[in-house]
Amino acid sequence: AQSVTQLDSQVPVFEEAPVELRCNYSSSVSVYLFWYVQYPNQGLQLLLKYLSGSTLVKSINGFEAEFNKSQTSFHLRKPSVHISDTAEYFCAVSDTGSARQLTFGSGTQLTVLP
Amino acid sequence: KAGVTQTPRYLIKTRGQQVTLSCSPISGHRSVSWYQQTPGQGLQFLFEYFSETQRNKGNFPGRFSGRQFSNSRSEMNVSTLELGDSALYLCASSFSGSSGETQYFGPGTRLLVL
Repeated sequence: AQSVTQLDSQVPVFEEAPVELRCNYSSSVSVYLFWYVQYPNQGLQLLLKYLSGSTLVKSINGFEAEFNKSQTSFHLRKPSVHISDTAEYFCAVSDTGSARQLTFGSGTQLTVLP
Repeated sequence: KAGVTQTPRYLIKTRGQQVTLSCSPISGHRSVSWYQQTPGQGLQFLFEYFSETQRNKGNFPGRFSGRQFSNSRSEMNVSTLELGDSALYLCASSFSGSSGETQYFGPGTRLLVL
């Protein structure tokens, strides 16, 4: 079984400032890692994912996350946030075997202030 | 390509009633997963269907059931509703449901049990 911990439930940040949303996971097997974003009254959208290869993965809108196996972390970063980045962000894992379900963290509400 | 659609978007029921929620996956996608989202428990996996067969099930009571049709559309049913069943129910589809494959989420059905 896996578990995901998102250490910050709320992160307020000023526009154009950098931000880091933290995610740690626990698993006895190899995992795939995901970040999803949820805007108000909408479903989840995939932001980026790590399957294998380079431990640094990037999204098309400037976010990036780095897989750190020794620290079992997959923190999400953006060097300069915009008002439109205000949303709830969920870290998730799935094992690399036959189980296809996603295990989600509790979410981090990112609020970008003008 | 149309996204994942869920109907209805909002639903109000009373305790003891039953409810059926519907999900139409992205065209060509054969795997459909269901998740429950609540403020207290977060996002929790309910079950996953592929080619009309339930392949995986989360830790929910038997009151929660689902099915998938030959056109990949899926329904989930909750019988004998309880107040705690109030939640956003999210459906996600993917091509084959393989671990690591991106799941595309619908906007959800918000269920309120009175």
